[in-house]
Amino acid sequence: EVHLLESGGGLVQPGGSLRLSCAASGFTFSDYGMTWVRQAPGKGLEWVSTISGFGSATYYSDSVKGRFIISRDNANNILYLQMDSLRADDTAVYFCAKLLGPSRVWDWFDPWGQGTLVTVSS
Amino acid sequence: IQLTQSPSFLSASVGDRVTITCRASQGISTYLAWYQQKPGKGPMLLVYSTSTLQSGVPSRFSGSGSGTDFTLTISGLQPEDFATYYCQNFNSFSTTFGQGTRLEIK
Repeated sequence: EVHLLESGGGLVQPGGSLRLSCAASGFTFSDYGMTWVRQAPGKGLEWVSTISGFGSATYYSDSVKGRFIISRDNANNILYLQMDSLRADDTAVYFCAKLLGPSRVWDWFDPWGQGTLVTVSS
Repeated sequence: IQLTQSPSFLSASVGDRVTITCRASQGISTYLAWYQQKPGKGPMLLVYSTSTLQSGVPSRFSGSGSGTDFTLTISGLQPEDFATYYCQNFNSFSTTFGQGTRLEIK
């Protein structure tokens, strides 16, 4: 069974940094692109970033481009999101998800983790 | 591309048949998926490529449409179906979600 577990969320001051992790199990990690999606409190879903299976291709939403970096450690089956220059509007639950099909960078998301909360506040 | 769901809020009873609509700002062929999200949980993929039911999803869920207009239909609502539903589209540049439809028990 595929399982995704996010960690690393917490309270950070505006302008600060945080690194999120997503531990994956139950599938051949390097075969699949992975993605981060966030959800501000009481709001809808917003795509953040996607990375290809071997990490050679990365994509970002305009709202995080230049501030966030997605990466992956295929030896240890971990997905990361390095978040710098954090702003109040980055406050959200951050979900990691696996892309549905192998060897794709644009695809449906399945399954998702349970999310980790990032709060940006002074 | 923008996705607009309607209604934003829906009240229904167990056993009802409900339909949620997702309209795209431009034609997206059949590149549309539907997700269900329950409070405190990550979303779950229900339907992808407009009408393909994800493995394990009950057959009371169905999707249809093409171009700019798409629907998710739940035939015979069950208590566990009361949740928020999102549509999603992707292209070669980004992924977009609709604003969500909250389905509550009447």
